Amino acid sequence: EAGVTQFPSHSVIEKGQTVTLRCDPISGHDNLYWYRRVMGKEIKFLLHFVKESKQDESGMPNNRFLAERTGGTYSTLKVQPAELEDSGVYFCASSQGGRSETQYFGPGTRLLVL
Amino acid sequence: AQSVTQPDIHITVSEGASLELRCNYSYGATPYLFWYVQSPGQGLQLLLKYFSGDTLVQGIKGFEAEFKRSQSSFNLRKPSVHWSDAAEYFCAVGALSTGGYNKLIFGAGTRLAVHP
Repeated sequence: EAGVTQFPSHSVIEKGQTVTLRCDPISGHDNLYWYRRVMGKEIKFLLHFVKESKQDESGMPNNRFLAERTGGTYSTLKVQPAELEDSGVYFCASSQGGRSETQYFGPGTRLLVL
Repeated sequence: AQSVTQPDIHITVSEGASLELRCNYSYGATPYLFWYVQSPGQGLQLLLKYFSGDTLVQGIKGFEAEFKRSQSSFNLRKPSVHWSDAAEYFCAVGALSTGGYNKLIFGAGTRLAVHP
């Protein structure tokens, strides 16, 4: 069974440009999470989908970030316009159900904003 | 405030030596605790988790962790380290979020180097 996949693996863009990150969760997983690790800091929660609905978006840093999960399958995270402080590694995770379920992580997308 | 502290940023051990990675958490209720490992180019892989019951939990790759409520700790241990254990290790607490789910709060990570 395929794990969580993320695309692209790396992205280098200029300040002010737009970037869209994609996450494909494990098949059948209703829960999809986005996390971010800024250089040298902790991995921080961004938001959580249950199927296509945003369950918790308390970690989204500002309105330049837009996450979608159309049809409850893959998710996209768009940053528009990108700023220097958006650089970091963006992780996606998925899980089957409730609180005790393991969150399975993808390899991350490394974003560098110049 | 909910938080996780991993006091050691880098640790170096010799192959075959024992290992203990420290983790302290701050969480108001009974915590859900996790240890993840990230090898170069890989995603985070779950080593073990604690929700309730026996405070000594066994994980994959020969790792174990002990939950100590009185010390707010969840230290990770391995009796004999292998060169392939070189990676970055993350402790996390599952904070209760909207709808009864978990959002993970991570420590800063401990990078482990293994000398031959």
